[in-house]
Amino acid sequence: EDKVVQSPLSLVVHEGDTVTLNCSYEVTNFRSLLWYKQEKKAPTFLFMLTSSGIEKKSGRLSSILDKKELFSILNITATQTGDSAVYLCAVEARSGGSNYKLTFGKGTLLTVNP
Amino acid sequence: DAGVTQSPTHLIKTRGQQVTLRCSPKSGHDTVSWYQQALGQGPQFIFQYYEEEERQRGNFPDRFSGHQFPNYSSELNVNALLLGDSALYLCASSLRGQGAYEQYFGPGTRLTVT
Repeated sequence: EDKVVQSPLSLVVHEGDTVTLNCSYEVTNFRSLLWYKQEKKAPTFLFMLTSSGIEKKSGRLSSILDKKELFSILNITATQTGDSAVYLCAVEARSGGSNYKLTFGKGTLLTVNP
Repeated sequence: DAGVTQSPTHLIKTRGQQVTLRCSPKSGHDTVSWYQQALGQGPQFIFQYYEEEERQRGNFPDRFSGHQFPNYSSELNVNALLLGDSALYLCASSLRGQGAYEQYFGPGTRLTVT
């Protein structure tokens, strides 16, 4: 059974701090790893990673994948209160034909205090 | 362009009852996936519909069933509700053959079973 484990489960920091969120996985027929931000309801897409060692970057957020060690990290620098959210890691696996299946971790609840 | 819409926003039901949740996909999308997100957990894949047929199913009992209409909208039905069915139900739409990163999530329906 596919498995995605995120750590820590929750984190409280002060504005301006840098945080690192972790995601490890065990998946058959790996296709990609995705990071989402979930503030209230709908998860919003942040990054898709398919190749090891290539950093994806968007503003203060960056992420990298290690396919040998089966993990990914999401970094947020100079955190702001607006970064407070649940960050979800999901792994996409092929499941026959053009079908895919997403397995999510439990998420990391990030709270950024002013 | 309307994104993914879901109705109702919130719902309270009693154990043993049945419930129907609705989802309209983003314009141009033909595939709908449903997820259950319990409190403090990541979304769990329930099933996916394409061409009005269930194409994939996660590890959920037969009490969970669905339907897709010719206009690509979809319903999720849950029979014989249990307290453990209380969760945020997310619908996500995509275009057949696209990867998971091109999947758009709706705002969800919060179901409370008492």
